[in-house]
Amino acid sequence: DTAVSQTPKYLVTQMGNDKSIKCEQNLGHDTMYWYKQDSKKFLKIMFSYNNKELIINETVPNRFSPKSPDKAHLNLHINSLELGDSAVYFCASSQGYGEAFFGQGTRLTVV
Amino acid sequence: AQSVSQHNHHVILSEAASLELGCNYSYGGTVNLFWYVQYPGQHLQLLLKYFSGDPLVKGIKGFEAEFIKSKFSFNLRKPSVQWSDTAEYFCAVSRRDYGQNFVFGPGTRLSVLP
Repeated sequence: DTAVSQTPKYLVTQMGNDKSIKCEQNLGHDTMYWYKQDSKKFLKIMFSYNNKELIINETVPNRFSPKSPDKAHLNLHINSLELGDSAVYFCASSQGYGEAFFGQGTRLTVV
Repeated sequence: AQSVSQHNHHVILSEAASLELGCNYSYGGTVNLFWYVQYPGQHLQLLLKYFSGDPLVKGIKGFEAEFIKSKFSFNLRKPSVQWSDTAEYFCAVSRRDYGQNFVFGPGTRLSVLP
């Protein structure tokens, strides 16, 4: 009954590969997010979707493409992975002006 | 651009010491304020939040925070820390006129020595 779930939890892949991270929330929230946490623990928003519509798209390489098939899902696809993409990626969701609920994170390691 | 700053990068305390972590934000409009905690290897969990009303808010695990509008601050406090409070603490701000965009501070690592 996890509120915000991400898969996979760990992802090790080679440079140049394409990979996807999936996120699902069962809270009925209308907004979902992707955050990137770097090695210094700094959290930076990448994308925000409200009812399947993109509302925030920060300066992120276009190799990163979010996809929201419905308001309970927000997947992140990454093309041509680079070493600098190694980080922990967190999915989150919120409703109205309420707090964000975070998933467990996906630790991506590009070798 | 909106920004959130946290005063300390790393705080080291002994058990039973009192804690205060500073947080300041730069936006002057209506904001919602949050403190999150991230235990080692885990995801972010909400400690407490402020939307309106009493500027002193109480959260889980004995934490509280005070919103001082004139200082654009939202400092986190705990009277007596425990070893289990060792974690990374993040202040976050969302602006009501900018959709839902949580901007996080850089985090403060708290190490509590037994």
